[in-house]
Amino acid sequence: GENVEQHPSTLSVQEGDSAVIKCTYSDSASNYFPWYKQELGKRPQLIIDIRSNVGEKKDQRIAVTLNKTAKHFSLHITETQPEDSAVYFCAASKGSARQLTFGSGTQLTVLP
Amino acid sequence: NAGVTQTPKFQVLKTGQSMTLQCAQDMNHNSMYWYRQDPGMGLRLIYYSASEGTTDKGEVPNGYNVSRLNKREFSLRLESAAPSQTSVYFCASSDSGTPGGYTFGSGTRLTVV
Repeated sequence: GENVEQHPSTLSVQEGDSAVIKCTYSDSASNYFPWYKQELGKRPQLIIDIRSNVGEKKDQRIAVTLNKTAKHFSLHITETQPEDSAVYFCAASKGSARQLTFGSGTQLTVLP
Repeated sequence: NAGVTQTPKFQVLKTGQSMTLQCAQDMNHNSMYWYRQDPGMGLRLIYYSASEGTTDKGEVPNGYNVSRLNKREFSLRLESAAPSQTSVYFCASSDSGTPGGYTFGSGTRLTVV
């Protein structure tokens, strides 16, 4: 089955700096790659997703890039703010309505 | 519009006890899922139901059973709880016609002592 590896497990940045989280996947048939943000004690919330026919997608301060050949994708957060502090999960599946395999998560801390 | 509703929110069980976690969605989604979340391990799929009337094992199905009661409801049962099943359980739903992938419930924090 699919295996998704995520790193780093923890990341601390100064407010205003950029943060990058990277994931690799094993199944070349995977074609849907969402990113979720989970605040303490809350449910995961989708923040951005990308499909395999697109190399990059941007939404305000967040962007995701996908390299299908290398089977890795990354989340980029620019101009970080304290409210960006949370656990971020990457995931992969063979379609947006198919079962997701999640990475192990990255605890992002934005220092004021 | 409630989305995905899970009950209960918290539960403490003794080893060997049984219980059922309930999940219901009101978005007319075809697919429903049960995940468990443990520190440092992300979310791992227990069981899923691609459509009403079907269920399939995920990555960590041992010790669990599920029932897709109808299109709205997907329950998870622990027949004989073990301390290793202490976790936070999330139900989710999705549909190929809905952009944005999964909608998660608020979670059930289960402790087995």
